[in-house]
This record gives sequence, structure tokens and C-alpha cells, in this order.
Amino acid sequence: EAGVAQSPRYKIIEKRQSVAFWCNPISGHATLYWYQQILGQGPKLLIQFQNNGVVDDSQLPKDRFSAERLKGVDSTLKIQPAKLEDSAVYLCASSLTIGSGGHEQFFGPGTRLTVL
Amino acid sequence: AQKITQTQPGMFVQEKEAVTLDCTYDTSDPSYGLFWYKQPSSGEMIFLIYQGSYDQQNATEGRYSLNFQKARKSANLVISASQLGDSAMYFCAMREGREYGNKLVFGAGTILRVKS
Repeated sequence: EAGVAQSPRYKIIEKRQSVAFWCNPISGHATLYWYQQILGQGPKLLIQFQNNGVVDDSQLPKDRFSAERLKGVDSTLKIQPAKLEDSAVYLCASSLTIGSGGHEQFFGPGTRLTVL
Repeated sequence: AQKITQTQPGMFVQEKEAVTLDCTYDTSDPSYGLFWYKQPSSGEMIFLIYQGSYDQQNATEGRYSLNFQKARKSANLVISASQLGDSAMYFCAMREGREYGNKLVFGAGTILRVKS
């Protein structure tokens, strides 16, 4: 079974530029998550989709971050314009669904963003 | 208040010995789940073990076991017979019930180094 795919793996941009990340979840997984992991910290949820609808985006800085999941499969996360503090690893994860029980989240390899 | 607290920034263990990584949590939701993830230097988050708040027995997965003490709100990870490949960052995470959005909240992590 193929895992969660993300691209690019690394990105270096200058502040005020824009950047986009792509995620392809595990086939059949209805729920997709984007996390931001700043160096030395645990991942922080940015946005959560159930199929193509947003379940939780309470921690997404909406003035500069946007995300979409068209057709309920692939997703893109965009930052425009980027700030120095956006330097982090952006992790995408997917799970079968939201709900009780294990339903662990499976993570992709992440995209390491450096903003200069 | 911190939802998930991991008080050990770093731990050392001798190869083949057991090690316990501490995790305490804070929630008023009676229905929640506790997860442990491993993050090697490659960056990918690897699911290790899950414990549900209503589970009567401690979870075990191979060399991993979760010491769940509900009254103390602790969910410590025990790794038996440590291997060099266990060297990584370990994150404890909690998912609260639907009322709280079912999202995962991560602790700050513990770096484990296995010595030969």
C-alpha cells in the first residue's frame, strides 16, 4: 500500500514570496490533515479536511495561508506572502475517517521550508 | 494549560535495555485517545501505539507498551530491548472527542539516543 506522498521535499524561498505544497493521501482515506512542525516542537494542526470539506482550520493563519482539497483526494497548502517564522516542516497526514477508536493518522515525509 | 506534557527533553539508554518515556495529559473529555509516534532524523512520523480512554488493558505492540494510568493522567511509553534503530524523537499525542474536533495535539517530544 502506497503511503502519503508529499512534494516538494525541500523548498527555499525569500520572505514575501509565495509557495505551495502538494499532498496525496493514502487511497481511500477520507480525512486529510496539514501540520506545521517548527524545529524542536511537536507538530501543530493547521487544517483538517473530511473529504473535500474543512472540519477544522482554527489554527490556520488565514491572512497568508490557504488550503484546498478538490475532489476529496489531493490537497495543496499555499503560503502567500511567506514570513521568516514560516520556516518549518509541513507534514501532511491522512486517516480513514474521523471518529473514535484508533484510526491512526499516517504521515507523509514532509516538506522542509526555509524562508530567508 | 498544556494538553500534553513530555518532561524529558532527552534520554539515553543502553542497547538491549528497557526505557520509559514519560507523557502526561490534561483533558476533561471522558472519551479520548492517546498515541505515540516516532520521528527519525528522516522526518517522517511513524505510528507506534494507541490507547483509548475506555480500554481496560494497557496497549502493547511488539516491543512497545503503553503504561496507562488514567487517574494520574499519564501514558508512558515503554520500549523493551532497545535497539540502535530506536534512536529518534518520540512524540506523545492526544485526540479528544468529537466536541473538541477529534484533532491530535502533540507534546514537545523526547529525543532518545540508544548507546551501543
